[in-house]
Amino acid sequence: DIQLTQSPSSLSASVGDSVTMTCRASQSVSTYVNWYQQRPGKAPQLLIYAASRLQSGVPSRFSGGGSETHFTLTISSLQPEDFAIYFCQQSYSTPPFTFGPGTKVDIK
Amino acid sequence: EVQLVESGGGLVQPGGSLRLACAASGFSLTHYAMIWVRQAPGKGLEWVSAVSGSGENTYFGDSVKGRFTVSRDMSKNTHYLHMNSLRAEDTAIYYCAKDRGNYDLWSGSESLESWGQGTLVTVSS
Repeated sequence: DIQLTQSPSSLSASVGDSVTMTCRASQSVSTYVNWYQQRPGKAPQLLIYAASRLQSGVPSRFSGGGSETHFTLTISSLQPEDFAIYFCQQSYSTPPFTFGPGTKVDIK
Repeated sequence: EVQLVESGGGLVQPGGSLRLACAASGFSLTHYAMIWVRQAPGKGLEWVSAVSGSGENTYFGDSVKGRFTVSRDMSKNTHYLHMNSLRAEDTAIYYCAKDRGNYDLWSGSESLESWGQGTLVTVSS
């Protein structure tokens, strides 16, 4: 199975900051990477699919990029509701479509 | 509006069985793949299983292969996860999710666009 790593495992930032987190795949997954946000006690929500496509209803301050084995999620101008855990997922070839371990964004 | 409502979680002894249900509304199971994802307490997300829109293709993660199966009741538009030979390490919140794709044909946009609220399974004596 394809393995995903995420860095950093956690970061601290302030409201209004711009932050970028990384997801790396153990082999090329083309652009088949998705990003999810999980707030405490809630189910995950899809933010970005196919590496850079914004899910309907998600604010434009979220953006994704990358290809092959290196992907990024950027949040420009952090808002209070953005403090959460972010997971990447690969959807390359056939399932299982594994998740990364997550990056926790908390308040500085 | 798409809604997914899980049920069936609870406390079960090691070696026991449990059936989780995911009642779907706002769309037909025949058009989309349905996935189960679990999250152990304080841990990350683990992909568990999937069934394609046609029902012809099923997939399982290595940790549950041979122990878990899936089924669907199209009259109820409900998706089930049948869990057997349960272990302590199966303790988790189990989420049902709807994929953007159907897993019968691959679009390159497969992603979990809708999620249920989750149901807790605890395996303990």
